[in-house]
Amino acid sequence: DAKTTQPTSMDCAEGRAANLPCNHSTISGNEYVYWYRQIHSQGPQYIIHGLKNNETNEMASLIITEDRKSSTLILPHATLRDTAVYYCIVAEKGGYQKVTFGTGTKLQVIP
Amino acid sequence: GAGVSQSPRYKVTKRGQDVALRCDPISGHVSLYWYRQALGQGPEFLTYFNYEAQQDKSGLPNDRFSAERPEGSISTLTIQRTEQRDSAMYRCASSLGEVGAEAFFGQGTRLTVV
Repeated sequence: DAKTTQPTSMDCAEGRAANLPCNHSTISGNEYVYWYRQIHSQGPQYIIHGLKNNETNEMASLIITEDRKSSTLILPHATLRDTAVYYCIVAEKGGYQKVTFGTGTKLQVIP
Repeated sequence: GAGVSQSPRYKVTKRGQDVALRCDPISGHVSLYWYRQALGQGPEFLTYFNYEAQQDKSGLPNDRFSAERPEGSISTLTIQRTEQRDSAMYRCASSLGEVGAEAFFGQGTRLTVV
């Protein structure tokens, strides 16, 4: 069973910020939150990860609540190419074994 | 190569035949993972290796599935006596291991058992 819960789908207007939530209430102290996305039939692509502090890179920002039970992935200016399925997973650093990706959130960026 | 390479990209086989799926990870990546992905679902873990050692095979559905990575680089996932329910996208990923953070996925092999 997936250790995360995500909405099935979301829409976002092109150019606006896309905020994708994820609940991971059973996360343990040594587990990180990772975000991946999968565009059409391509392989999943790493976006960002974090432990407890907020993180930002060239693709996105990750906001993790203080109790670490939920997080939000933020795409600051969504483009049509950001239309994809976004997966939130929890795992020990580098420990992708037994990771269940779940069904993710289908983000549709609308022109 | 620059990324994880899987071959073949597409494989159609008759029920009962054996198939071998190949994964060539990123050079220097210690860990290699095999996943299976059904349509509309996220990847499902099958097995993983650190170097040549198979660390965990608990995700393999049954004993018709096996994997090896004899020299700690290229890996082969073998499915014996294929069944229609084996039809799926099979994905390989590699990472630097515990010191690394991200896994890089290949394009996958689409297996169709007819």
